[in-house]
Amino acid sequence: EDQVTQSPEALRLQEGESSSLNCSYTVSGLRGLFWYRQDPGKGPEFLFTLYSAGEEKEKERLKATLTKKERFLHLTAPKPEDSATYLCAANLILTGGGNKLTFGTGTQLKVEL
Amino acid sequence: DAGVIQSPRHEVTEMGQEVTLRCKPISGHDYLFWYRQTMMRGLELLIYFNNNVPIDDSGMPEDRFSAKMPNASFSTLKIQPSEPRDSAVYFCASSDSGNSPLHFGNGTRLTVT
Repeated sequence: EDQVTQSPEALRLQEGESSSLNCSYTVSGLRGLFWYRQDPGKGPEFLFTLYSAGEEKEKERLKATLTKKERFLHLTAPKPEDSATYLCAANLILTGGGNKLTFGTGTQLKVEL
Repeated sequence: DAGVIQSPRHEVTEMGQEVTLRCKPISGHDYLFWYRQTMMRGLELLIYFNNNVPIDDSGMPEDRFSAKMPNASFSTLKIQPSEPRDSAVYFCASSDSGNSPLHFGNGTRLTVT
């Protein structure tokens, strides 16, 4: 069964303390790796898509990287407003041409003053 | 752009009752997805449509669940009869292609007592 696993499950950081969130998957036919942010009571909000090894994308204090073996969301000098649950999702190619986005269970991030 | 609109935001019902969740996707988006989110299992894909046609319903848990998309601007997810284990947050999402980011609504929190 295709699976997406994220670590750690929860992370508490001090403001300005940089760290990384990890996403791993056991899937075949990967068509892209997606990162989402989810705030309490809201739907997931799209952050990044990465399609190939070596690709990197940045948005403010967040940087997503994809290599052949590792997939990370790096947080540089995070602020309290970065507190949220971060979800990783793998887009899989289905037989017949469709695709399916499979989500990990997320990393709950809390950034404190 | 109004985004994906879901109704109701909250639904509380008794076991055995019929529940209907509604979704209006972003105009022009050809793909519509229904996901369910729980603490234990995270986000799970239930069913998705392309151009109003159901493509993959393998995630629909049982015959009690059904989904329709009568036109490009409206979809429903129905549970009949509902059970306490159906309690979860149900999200609708849409995208403009099979490999584009999904745009999520803010979900319907369903509680079955």
